[in-house]
Amino acid sequence: QQQVKQSPQSLIVQKGGISIINCAYENTAFDYFPWYQQFPGKGPALLIAIRPDVSEKKEGRFTISFNKSAKQFSLHIMDSQPGDSATYFCAANHHNAGNMLTFGGGTRLMVKP
Amino acid sequence: EAGVTQSPTHLIKTRGQQATLRCSPISGHTSVYWYQQALGLGLQFLLWYDEGEERNRGNFPPRFSGRQFPNYSSELNVNALELEDSALYLCASSPSWTQYFGPGTRLLVL
Repeated sequence: QQQVKQSPQSLIVQKGGISIINCAYENTAFDYFPWYQQFPGKGPALLIAIRPDVSEKKEGRFTISFNKSAKQFSLHIMDSQPGDSATYFCAANHHNAGNMLTFGGGTRLMVKP
Repeated sequence: EAGVTQSPTHLIKTRGQQATLRCSPISGHTSVYWYQQALGLGLQFLLWYDEGEERNRGNFPPRFSGRQFPNYSSELNVNALELEDSALYLCASSPSWTQYFGPGTRLLVL
């Protein structure tokens, strides 16, 4: 059972545009929602994370929006750059129930120059 | 500060053999997690070790096992390798909420 659904699977954005990736979860016990960026041949790198008591978190060009009632969260990449081209994974975990991450299926982002 | 390290970077085995993968966590982190990233299957949780004990395991058969040493480094063992075990195996360490990943070991089973 996939508990975190991520969309779209792939995304092409022009340089300077906004990239938006969405995730929806089922388990209301999840209490931590990180986003990871992965380049080919590398391990995932933590980008930004949010807890459900906050509706939005911004770090540089990256913003997470969180809608607890809808059980959805999204990543916005402002002023997208070719160097942002990578695969992005949303994830969720339940800190007091093992803390293991449940990942979305990933979004392959390509930013065209 | 050094990140999570994994060895070897690549491993080639044949069906039925055993594979051993190693992970060194970030200094001060006591929890180590193992994930499998197979083509088309995304990232799936395998095992969680904390303070030398196995705390949780994902939906994988018993031939996937491991251990954590007193210095918090960890080893993942895969016995009786099957072709579908070919994947990138990722180790992550955590001080609490956040997990930091290593570069992975790419296992190819022929």
